[in-house]
Amino acid sequence: DIQMTQSPSTLSASVGDRVTITCRASQSISSWLAWYQQIPGKVPKLLIYKASSLESGVPSRFSGSGSGTEFTLTISSLQPDDFATYYCQQYNSYSLTFGGGTKVEIK
Amino acid sequence: EVQLLDSGGGLVQPGGSLRLSCAASGFTFSSSAMSWVRQAPGKGLEWVSAISGRGDRTYYADSVRGRFTISRDNSKNTLYLQMNSLRAEDTAIYYCAKEGPSGGDYFDYWGQGTLVTVSS
Repeated sequence: DIQMTQSPSTLSASVGDRVTITCRASQSISSWLAWYQQIPGKVPKLLIYKASSLESGVPSRFSGSGSGTEFTLTISSLQPDDFATYYCQQYNSYSLTFGGGTKVEIK
Repeated sequence: EVQLLDSGGGLVQPGGSLRLSCAASGFTFSSSAMSWVRQAPGKGLEWVSAISGRGDRTYYADSVRGRFTISRDNSKNTLYLQMNSLRAEDTAIYYCAKEGPSGGDYFDYWGQGTLVTVSS
């Protein structure tokens, strides 16, 4: 199975900060990567698919980049609604796998 | 509007069985692959199983293969997960999830989740 490793596991930031989360795959997954946001007690929400395609309705402050084994999710200016846990997910091959998550906390 | 309504969770003893359901509406169910994803209390997301739109291909995580069975009834727009030989480590919220429109195995819509607790 392809292992997905996210870093950092926790990130403290302030409103207005630029935030970057990294996701590394144990082998190449081309661009078959998605990013999700999960607010505590809520259902995961799709943000990005195919590494850099923004899901409809998602604010443009979210962006994704990368290919192969290294990927990033960037929030250009952190907003109060963005304090949440973020997960990457590879869909290059079964078993589908998620990263361990990055919790973005208020500094 | 796409809606996924998960149900069937509950408290079950170790070794027991449970069947989850996911009622879908708002899209062409038979054209969409579907998955189950779970989340143990306070933990991250874990993909469990997937099924193709026609139901002719199924996939499982190693942790559930041989114990869980995914199926669908396209005439009823409903996805199922039959869970047998349940273990304490299967305790989690189980979400059904619709796979993306471009054929990629990412998830654009999720059910609200149903809680499965395995305990004596």
